[in-house]
Amino acid sequence: DVKVTQSSRYLVKRTGEKVFLECVQDMDHENMFWYRQDPGLGLRLIYFSYDVKMKEKGDIPEGYSVSREKKERFSLILESASTNQTSMYLCASSGGRGPNQPQHFGDGTRLSIL
Amino acid sequence: AQSVAQPEDQVNVAEGNPLTVKCTYSVSGNPYLFWYVQYPNRGLQFLLKYITGDNLVKGSYGFEAEFNKSQTSFHLKKPSALVSDSALYFCAVREGGRGSTLGRLYFGRGTQLTVWP
Repeated sequence: DVKVTQSSRYLVKRTGEKVFLECVQDMDHENMFWYRQDPGLGLRLIYFSYDVKMKEKGDIPEGYSVSREKKERFSLILESASTNQTSMYLCASSGGRGPNQPQHFGDGTRLSIL
Repeated sequence: AQSVAQPEDQVNVAEGNPLTVKCTYSVSGNPYLFWYVQYPNRGLQFLLKYITGDNLVKGSYGFEAEFNKSQTSFHLKKPSALVSDSALYFCAVREGGRGSTLGRLYFGRGTQLTVWP
């Protein structure tokens, strides 16, 4: 079974802090994704990556950056946290270049910015 | 542009009754369709997918989904609901074709299914 592990289930940070969310997958997947989930808005894509050191903006990249130095690890960075970034953050991965591969999700990080 | 609509925020059904969670989609090419389930405080779990072939797709936990190309729909169904099916359900679509966005999924806003005893 594919395992996607997010480093923290719950995180509390203060406004203005730099915040790192880590995600590791164990299936040698090429593709990795970061979403945020808010009630009534569903999942919104922040950034994704198709290969090491490669990244593409999703629908809401403002205020975020990402890093993919190794194939198995995809980090989401909040450069200067703000209260409107309080949310559930979900990481996902998928294999190959074909469109029929499902994404596999971690259990999420519930982030609160005070 | 790709998009997914889940017209119902909530679906309520009695245990033992059939359930349907609706999904319609919009893509310009061939659609690749997925259903996911999310239990409280967990990530999304893959249920089933439609790529090509039979319009009725069977997935995990007794769920199935019916693809209807003329109505651009991909409704999730189960013949007999269980209380343990209560969860948040997401439909997602991906467009087949070449290009760097090949892996992107477009999600609906989710439908909360409640099955009462």
